[in-house]
This record gives sequence, C-alpha cells and structure tokens, in this order.
Amino acid sequence: DTGVSQNPRHKITKRGQNVTFRCDPISEHNRLYWYRQTLGQGPEFLTYFQNEAQLEKSRLLSDRFSAERPKGSFSTLEIQRTEQGDSAMYLCASSLPHQEGDTQYFGPGTRLTVL
Amino acid sequence: AQTVTQSQPEMSVQEAETVTLSCTYDTSESNYYLFWYKQPPSRQMILVIRQEAYKQQNATENRFSVNFQKAAKSFSLKISDSQLGDTAMYFCALSGGADGLTFGKGTHLIIQP
Repeated sequence: DTGVSQNPRHKITKRGQNVTFRCDPISEHNRLYWYRQTLGQGPEFLTYFQNEAQLEKSRLLSDRFSAERPKGSFSTLEIQRTEQGDSAMYLCASSLPHQEGDTQYFGPGTRLTVL
Repeated sequence: AQTVTQSQPEMSVQEAETVTLSCTYDTSESNYYLFWYKQPPSRQMILVIRQEAYKQQNATENRFSVNFQKAAKSFSLKISDSQLGDTAMYFCALSGGADGLTFGKGTHLIIQP
C-alpha cells in the first residue's frame, strides 16, 4: 500500500511564471485535499475533491490558484503568475470518508520557492 | 468558524520523560474528530492519534495517549517514555466542517539525550 505521493518535491521559479504540482492519493481514497503551509505555521486548507468533483474552492487564496482532478484519481494544483508570497510548502492529503473518521493522510509536500 | 489553539510554541524534555502537549479548540459542530499529527524535520505529516468526539474514552496508541475534555474543549497529547525520534513539530487538528482540517500553529518538541 503506497502512500500519498507529490511531484515535484521542490520547485524554484521566477516571479510571474506559472507552476503546476501533482498529487497522487492513496489508491482507494476518493477524497483529496490541498493545503498550504508557510514557515512556522500549521497547514492552511485550500480546496478539496470528492472523486472528480471540487466541493470547496472558496478558500483558494486568489484567482491565480486553481486545482483539478479530472478522472477522480490524481490532482493538479496550478499557480499562475507566481508571486514571492506564494513561496511555501504545498501539501496534499487523501482520505476515505466514513472510514477511520475520514482521517487524512498526507504526502511529503512540494516546496515552492519564488525568486 | 473553527479554531485550534496550541499555546506552547516549544517544549524540551529529557529522553525517557513524559511530556504533555496542550490544545484547545472551538467548533459549533456536534460531530467532529480531533487529531494529533507529527511533522519531523523531513516535513512529512504523520498521524499520531485520532479521537472521535462522541466517544468518551480517551484514545491511546502505544506511548501516545490523549486527555479529551469535551466540555472544556481541550485535547492534550501525552507522550510517555519519550524517545529521540519523537523530536518534531506536533500539530493539533480539528475536522467536522466542510473545509478540511483546521490546524493549530504547532508545538516544537525537542527530546534531549
């Protein structure tokens, strides 16, 4: 049983560029979450999917942020026109509702540095 | 809105000692879960323990146990016989709404040899 995987693990980009991160959840999990974590803080919820449906996206930080999960399996998080303030760790988690209290299991994260 | 407060930014204890990390929370949900996650320096978030709010019995997982006081909205984590590998950031988290988990700011636990 493999865990949640995220790629890339590190991304360095220049301000104004677009970046895309990928998350592969645990195979039987149908819920997938995205969080952002800045230094010294706990993760901050961004959005989540149940299968391919994005059920909550009002917490995405701006309209430069978007997420997809086209076939209900892996998901991508895109940040357009990156800004230095976007530098953070982006975490993905997955869960299986009604099992284990909908416990979320986290991936290793993608560390974004915007120069 | 849900809130989670961890009032101890950093704690340091000697190996083999027992340590308790504090967490208080607020929610209007009647059915919710509470979690403690550990984030070692490698930064992968690992589940330590889970508590269902409707269960009065405190959860335990080997050396880890919680003291869940529902009326006081308190959820502390006790680590017994602490080990060097317990050194990490510990986050208290609350679920129950539609917005994923709400995390506290974390407690940096250092186990001294």
